[in-house]
Amino acid sequence: AQTVTQSQPEMSVQEAETVTLSCTYDTSESDYYLFWYKQPPSRQMILVIRQEAYKQQNATENRFSVNFQKAAKSFSLKISDSQLGDAAMYFCAYRSGRGNQFYFGTGTSLTVIP
Amino acid sequence: DTGVSQNPRHKITKRGQNVTFRCDPISEHNRLYWYRQTLGQGPEFLTYFQNEAQLEKSRLLSDRFSAERPKGSFSTLEIQRTEQGDSAMYLCASSLVAGGPYEQYFGPGTRLTVT
Repeated sequence: AQTVTQSQPEMSVQEAETVTLSCTYDTSESDYYLFWYKQPPSRQMILVIRQEAYKQQNATENRFSVNFQKAAKSFSLKISDSQLGDAAMYFCAYRSGRGNQFYFGTGTSLTVIP
Repeated sequence: DTGVSQNPRHKITKRGQNVTFRCDPISEHNRLYWYRQTLGQGPEFLTYFQNEAQLEKSRLLSDRFSAERPKGSFSTLEIQRTEQGDSAMYLCASSLVAGGPYEQYFGPGTRLTVT
């Protein structure tokens, strides 16, 4: 089974600053998809951004962008101009292009300091 | 609201009792997943349905767990003879499988506490 590793259990960032959350994954496949999900306290998980492995261009969604390094099997999330509402658990997830399961990391708890 | 809904949101039960959770996916979504999430962990896959067919089950899904999606719409997850180790958040997610990256849409979860 694929493994997804988030090595930062907790991170903090000053409001309006930039923070990068790390994610690495282990796979032997070439076709797959990567996702970042956000889970605010006591609220449901929502998709932040996704990346298709076959695309070389890094995905961006407003203040959120990724640094996808396929050879290094790294998929970090950068949050620019951090806002108080960004405080949440962030989960990195992997899905094989042929498979149906999503594999999640253990999450990074992000605190935004006013 | 046309998102994924789950009921109940919280359930407290005594060890040995049976519990059943319900998930209503986004109406046009053909795939439905169940996950378990314990404190400090990411969601762990339990099982998924394509329409009404249960296509895959995790090793985590012991014989005490059963899931159904009788008409390809809502789904239920039943846990029989609950144990304290079953205490967790149970998440449901749905997706429309039509090729490509198809992300999952999650419900708010059912938090189970077994006393």
